[in-house]
Amino acid sequence: AQSVSQHNHHVILSEAASLELGCNYSYGGTVNLFWYVQYPGQHLQLLLKYFSGDPLVKGIKGFEAEFIKSKFSFNLRKPSVQWSDTAEYFCAVNAGTASKLTFGTGTRLQVTL
Amino acid sequence: GAVVSQHPSWVICKSGTSVKIECRSLDFQATTMFWYRQFPKQSLMLMATSNEGSKATYEQGVEKDKFLINHASLTLSTLTVTSAHPEDSSFYICSALRRGEQYFGPGTRLTVT
Repeated sequence: AQSVSQHNHHVILSEAASLELGCNYSYGGTVNLFWYVQYPGQHLQLLLKYFSGDPLVKGIKGFEAEFIKSKFSFNLRKPSVQWSDTAEYFCAVNAGTASKLTFGTGTRLQVTL
Repeated sequence: GAVVSQHPSWVICKSGTSVKIECRSLDFQATTMFWYRQFPKQSLMLMATSNEGSKATYEQGVEKDKFLINHASLTLSTLTVTSAHPEDSSFYICSALRRGEQYFGPGTRLTVT
């Protein structure tokens, strides 16, 4: 069975700092990769996704992620975070079986002014 | 577009009673919906895949007789927690599949006293 690891559980950054959240998955076959964000009191929203093609994926709100197949990684990045980026971030993997998603444990990002 | 709602947003019930949670896709039809459970500060755990017009597919370890799922129409799936106990207290989230992407509802907080 596939699994997803997010090593950063809680990250605190000052505004304008750069962000990188790690995501590693374990599955040997073809995968689809996702990053979701959950703002306080709101539902999960898709930030970006990778299915195939260019391994550098750009999403909404200035986020991007890079798929490195050799490292089984899909790290999320943003050059300059804003206070409004404070949220919970989840990495998820779909290994092609009926669109089921396996989620990582999430990373809570706190951006301070 | 692609809005998913859940009702109720929160519910408190007494131990031994049953609770029904609705998941609706408001502006699209979804033959497949998913039900997740999220414990505090933990990830989303897939409970079951709900397919319109057929029986739900439950993940390993999820009691199908306790968590009854009915996907009676292309816009509605329901999750009924039968004979609820305090350990069933959790945050339940549904999603609806559209063009290979899952759209999430806002979640339902269930507290069993």
